[in-house]
Amino acid sequence: GENVEQHPSTLSVQEGDSAVIKCTYSDSASNYFPWYKQELGKRPQLIIDIRSNVGEKKDQRIAVTLNKTAKHFSLHITETQPEDSAVYFCAASGGGFQKLVFGTGTRLLVSP
Amino acid sequence: DGGITQSPKYLFRKEGQNVTLSCEQNLNHDAMYWYRQDPGQGLRLIYYSQIVNDFQKGDIAEGYSVSREKKESFPLTVTSAQKNPTAFYLCASKFGTDPTGELFFGEGSRLTVL
Repeated sequence: GENVEQHPSTLSVQEGDSAVIKCTYSDSASNYFPWYKQELGKRPQLIIDIRSNVGEKKDQRIAVTLNKTAKHFSLHITETQPEDSAVYFCAASGGGFQKLVFGTGTRLLVSP
Repeated sequence: DGGITQSPKYLFRKEGQNVTLSCEQNLNHDAMYWYRQDPGQGLRLIYYSQIVNDFQKGDIAEGYSVSREKKESFPLTVTSAQKNPTAFYLCASKFGTDPTGELFFGEGSRLTVL
């Protein structure tokens, strides 16, 4: 089945720095790649997603890039703020498996 | 106020006992899902349902059972056959039955086996 690997598992940055989280997937037929943010003690929430016919998508300070050839996609957060501190999950779906498969998560800590 | 509600929030169980976690949604979503969250392992799919009276096993279905008698409800039973049931369980729902589109999660249920 689909396998999604996510790195790093933890990431510490200073406020104002950029943060990048990377994911790779195994099924070349996957065509949908969402990112979820889970703040401490709260439910995961979708922050951005990208489909395989698009190489990059931006929403204010966050962006996602997709490289279909290399089968990896990345989340970029610019001008980080303390409220960006959370666990971020990437996921991939579509193709032959019709299920959303999540990565193992990245704990981002933004220090003031 | 539309949303997805899980109960109980915290649950303690003795070994050998079955326990049922409730998940209700009033979003008129077609598909519902149960995920298990363990530290360092992300979200793993237990069961999912795309239509009433039908459900499919996810990646870690052993020791769990579900039912989907109503569109709004998708309860999960953790049976005594589940070898390591202590975990955080998340229910989710979405509009439509294809894998794309936003998942709406409940607030989760934390199960501890004593």
